[in-house]
Amino acid sequence: DTGVSQDPRHKITKRGQNVTFRCDPISEHNRLYWYRQTLGQGPEFLTYFQNEAQLEKSRLLSDRFSAERPKGSFSTLEIQRTEQGDSAMYLCASSLASKGYQVGYEQYFGPGTRLTVT
Amino acid sequence: AQSVTQLGSHVSVSEGALVLLRCNYSSSVPPYLFWYVQYPNQGLQLLLKYTSAATLVKGINGFEAEFKKSETSFHLTKPSAHMSDAAEYFCAVSLKTSYDKVIFGPGTSLSVIP
Repeated sequence: DTGVSQDPRHKITKRGQNVTFRCDPISEHNRLYWYRQTLGQGPEFLTYFQNEAQLEKSRLLSDRFSAERPKGSFSTLEIQRTEQGDSAMYLCASSLASKGYQVGYEQYFGPGTRLTVT
Repeated sequence: AQSVTQLGSHVSVSEGALVLLRCNYSSSVPPYLFWYVQYPNQGLQLLLKYTSAATLVKGINGFEAEFKKSETSFHLTKPSAHMSDAAEYFCAVSLKTSYDKVIFGPGTSLSVIP
């Protein structure tokens, strides 16, 4: 168990550029989550995958944001035409849920990708 | 809609003193409750969780929390603070009818004074 990994750890980009982040969950985990955390705040839910299916997206996830989990393993989060307001820490988490049970499972978090838009 | 409030954005305690971090939740259905810790430039680590078993929950690093339904509270305590406890602490709620969607509070930064 190597834990949840995220790449890159830090990204500095200019306003208007596109950026893509990658998350590798714990290998047997079937659920994957993306959160955004701004300075001094708790993480805010962005989106959630059950295997390769994206089952919910927060209203925070504007149409400039897109997330994929093509084979039910790693996931990518892309932000198009970045804005300064996108500067934040982007956290990925994963969990393993057994069939028939939906809740109560611990989410394991990665170290995050810190995005700075200049 | 569910929400979490944490009283005190910053708490300072002396090394060896009691740690008390406050959390109150709002939920229309019985929730699951969590405390996470975050060290600088790191992700979140689960300290403990309440999932409708015992109301007093023990976690890692000597922390524990008590679920009080009548007060809608889930305060985190540790009898004796250690320097290594200095970090950001987040209380969070998840609905039993959801898929583990977790709503986090704003966090409390704990400082430990030697």
